[in-house]
Amino acid sequence: GAGVSQSPSNKVTEKGKDVELRCDPISGHTALYWYRQSLGQGLEFLIYFQGNSAPDKSGLPSDRFSAERTGGSVSTLTIQRTQQEDSAVYLCATKPSYSTDTQYFGPGTRLTVL
Amino acid sequence: EDQVTQSPEALRLQEGESSSLNCSYTVSGLRGLFWYRQDPGKGPEFLFTLYSAGEEKEKERLKATLTKKESFLHITAPKPEDSATYLCAVQAANQAGTALIFGKGTTLSVSS
Repeated sequence: GAGVSQSPSNKVTEKGKDVELRCDPISGHTALYWYRQSLGQGLEFLIYFQGNSAPDKSGLPSDRFSAERTGGSVSTLTIQRTQQEDSAVYLCATKPSYSTDTQYFGPGTRLTVL
Repeated sequence: EDQVTQSPEALRLQEGESSSLNCSYTVSGLRGLFWYRQDPGKGPEFLFTLYSAGEEKEKERLKATLTKKESFLHITAPKPEDSATYLCAVQAANQAGTALIFGKGTTLSVSS
């Protein structure tokens, strides 16, 4: 079946602009994670959605970052007033349910802030 | 603090030259340890999950093992197509929804 998809694959923006990154999970997967992968760094957790529960936002680095998940499916990560240090690859991962362990990753969105 | 350290950062092998990648971890109770492969410009691809010390899993030329403090990814007779970055991650035992904690990865290059 289809895997996790993300769009756009690449995004170049100017400092101070807002950006939206989209994640389409594997059909039926109720758990969804956003991670950030900066050059030379490991993947860094940003936010976690599970079904209709309140999201775990503990990894968001600042209040410029927010995310939504509509209808328990598609998720959008929004970065307001982008800064150069926001440049990174943003990865989405999903898994079938809360109790399963393996997360399946999308191809990522490469964000470049000029 | 939960932490994952991978070594070496980079590894160059000749085709057929077997070796091992190391993943050392400290975590407040281990729920699972995960190995992923990441090719340039792509998302991580799942390889293995290990849950308890002594557990081993194999897939083609790869074998993953787990102790109470570290995991090894053994690569037997590698081929150029095994070239990639290998990521190790752990999940703490407190709850199933906990995000993965990743190491920085080992970049493997296999030349023919």
